[in-house]
Amino acid sequence: GEDVEQSLFLSVREGDSSVINCTYTDSSSTYLYWYKQEPGAGLQLLTYIFSNMDMKQDQRLTVLLNKKDKHLSLRIADTQTGDSAIYFCAESIGPEGGADGLTFGKGTHLIIQP
Amino acid sequence: DTAVSQTPKYLVTQMGNDKSIKCEQNLGHDTMYWYKQDSKKFLKIMFSYNNKELIINETVPNRFSPKSPDKAHLNLHINSLELGDSAVYFCASSFRETQYFGPGTRLLVL
Repeated sequence: GEDVEQSLFLSVREGDSSVINCTYTDSSSTYLYWYKQEPGAGLQLLTYIFSNMDMKQDQRLTVLLNKKDKHLSLRIADTQTGDSAIYFCAESIGPEGGADGLTFGKGTHLIIQP
Repeated sequence: DTAVSQTPKYLVTQMGNDKSIKCEQNLGHDTMYWYKQDSKKFLKIMFSYNNKELIINETVPNRFSPKSPDKAHLNLHINSLELGDSAVYFCASSFRETQYFGPGTRLLVL
């Protein structure tokens, strides 16, 4: 079955790196995603990675994928107060262009300490 | 220029009422979705739809029904609203691997 797990909370100091982890169970995942949700707001697509890649970097964001262990992580360098939000890991198991939705983790609340 | 928009943003109603939430996307995407986010922030897919197929999450009560008048719109109708339907409902659309979400509709059933 489909299951995506994340820690519920992560607290980091401003300026440090944040690493948010996620594990998934479905080995047929095609894409894995990170979404950000600020309080009272919608979901913002941050980045995503194809399942045959093991790393993707985009400015302060680094995504690492260990397909063998079914582990995905999001590293945010130089964490700022504006990074305070809930971060959702999600997987897509359907074919590209198909109508399958995403399976989300329960979200990690990132708390920034001054 | 909002890519995925939803109306209304807030909806407060009584138990037993019937209500609709509208969703429109101007991205030209073929596939649209409805998700439900509960009070604990857990997100679950309810429906996905393109012009060929409707995929329904089997846990969704049949009081919920999606209606798509055209490719750019996917509305959500809810009959006989219950207290447990209170949540934030997100519409999304996708093209290939990228899925974009609307701002959400906050539904409160009293």
